[in-house]
Amino acid sequence: GAVVSQHPSWVICKSGTSVKIECRSLDFQATTMFWYRQFPKQSLMLMATSNEGSKATYEQGVEKDKFLINHASLTLSTLTVTSAHPEDSSFYICSADRGQGIRQPQHFGDGTRLSIL
Amino acid sequence: EDQVTQSPEALRLQEGESSSLNCSYTVSGLRGLFWYRQDPGKGPEFLFTLYSAGEEKEKERLKATLTKKESFLHITAPKPEDSATYLCAVRETSGSRLTFGEGTQLTVNP
Repeated sequence: GAVVSQHPSWVICKSGTSVKIECRSLDFQATTMFWYRQFPKQSLMLMATSNEGSKATYEQGVEKDKFLINHASLTLSTLTVTSAHPEDSSFYICSADRGQGIRQPQHFGDGTRLSIL
Repeated sequence: EDQVTQSPEALRLQEGESSSLNCSYTVSGLRGLFWYRQDPGKGPEFLFTLYSAGEEKEKERLKATLTKKESFLHITAPKPEDSATYLCAVRETSGSRLTFGEGTQLTVNP
């Protein structure tokens, strides 16, 4: 089956640090990748949609300069949380879309737990 | 704006006690309804895709059904390993993004 790998799985860093999270599709080319944020006991909130070779589309209320997204290849998208602060602490999850038709689901990585001290 | 509402928020069952989870949705044009399972600290795991009213999909103890306004996830004779949060999501015709419901946290006691 489809596999999406996300790295790192857990990161703790000091306030003001920038953190990069990688999302890779391991066995298919992903024309579109998505980044979500999930707070405890809540559902997934879409942050941005990332298309290979073009600028990401951010959801309303998501700061583009805070959450930098790069989709440089068909198998890799990165999310950089710049100058992270404690309120950015959350569970970040990526997903990838094969783009092979409407019946294909999004496949999710296992998430990154980000803790800002 | 798409809306997805799942009920109940939490469900506690005894092993072998069958039940159903509900997902009600409002979209301008349904391009697909998806069920996922999420374990604590993990990303969602794909279960089913449904596209048209009347469609049904089955996998082991799970069966998903779809009407024009809602979907049900039926769990037959659940086991403790079925304990997880079950998420419902819709994709509308105008794009590829998913809109998720809040999920149902299922606990199956032995």
